Amino acid sequence: DAGITQSPRYKITETGRQVTLMCHQTWSHSYMFWYRQDLGHGLRLIYYSAAADITDKGEVPDGYVVSRSKTENFPLTLESATRSQTSVYFCASVDFGSGNTIYFGEGSWLTVV
Amino acid sequence: KQEVTQIPAALSVPEGENLVLNCSFTDSAIYNLQWFRQDPGKGLTSLLLIQSSQREQTSGRLNASLDKSSGRSTLYIAASQPGDSATYLCAAPIKAAGNKLTFGGGTRVLVKP
Repeated sequence: DAGITQSPRYKITETGRQVTLMCHQTWSHSYMFWYRQDLGHGLRLIYYSAAADITDKGEVPDGYVVSRSKTENFPLTLESATRSQTSVYFCASVDFGSGNTIYFGEGSWLTVV
Repeated sequence: KQEVTQIPAALSVPEGENLVLNCSFTDSAIYNLQWFRQDPGKGLTSLLLIQSSQREQTSGRLNASLDKSSGRSTLYIAASQPGDSATYLCAAPIKAAGNKLTFGGGTRVLVKP
């Protein structure tokens, strides 16, 4: 099925552990984004990618690492999780050149204890 | 850099009233403007997409207008229902390299029966 999927949907981890959130899209959209959403802050951009092997920082990149070796995948890694990274994370993809709709994944709820 | 603002941040109306949600953006060189709906604890669902060459777009009880010259879009929801209670967000991606897709803070809507 066409779409954008995130995994895991729910995760509890301990402080200091490495966590990777996966994002996969089936359209071959060039752009992909990672956001975190917290009460009172709306959607904040963590990292984005304009194409495979091209990534750049958003508003709140500290503590996160991304890679994009394939167009369809855009994993987000928390190298050493902290309690402040407890949040819900959304992945999105779009092909701006064709004026397409932005598609969002269902979200990954991460709790760091 | 595109900055998107949504006013009001929250809105409460009795059932049956029309809703008017505002979205302002600073850079008018946009691909399109998109409105999304987010229910509590859920992801974002696309409602309407207005291409940069269009002035408005309609879907059922929803109508969105776009005025690039003033950097504004308005989402109208006619004859509101309790099921319209949600947070509504807008995005206005710009035609520029390194497109950091940013969102407004959203308008939280409560429709009271």
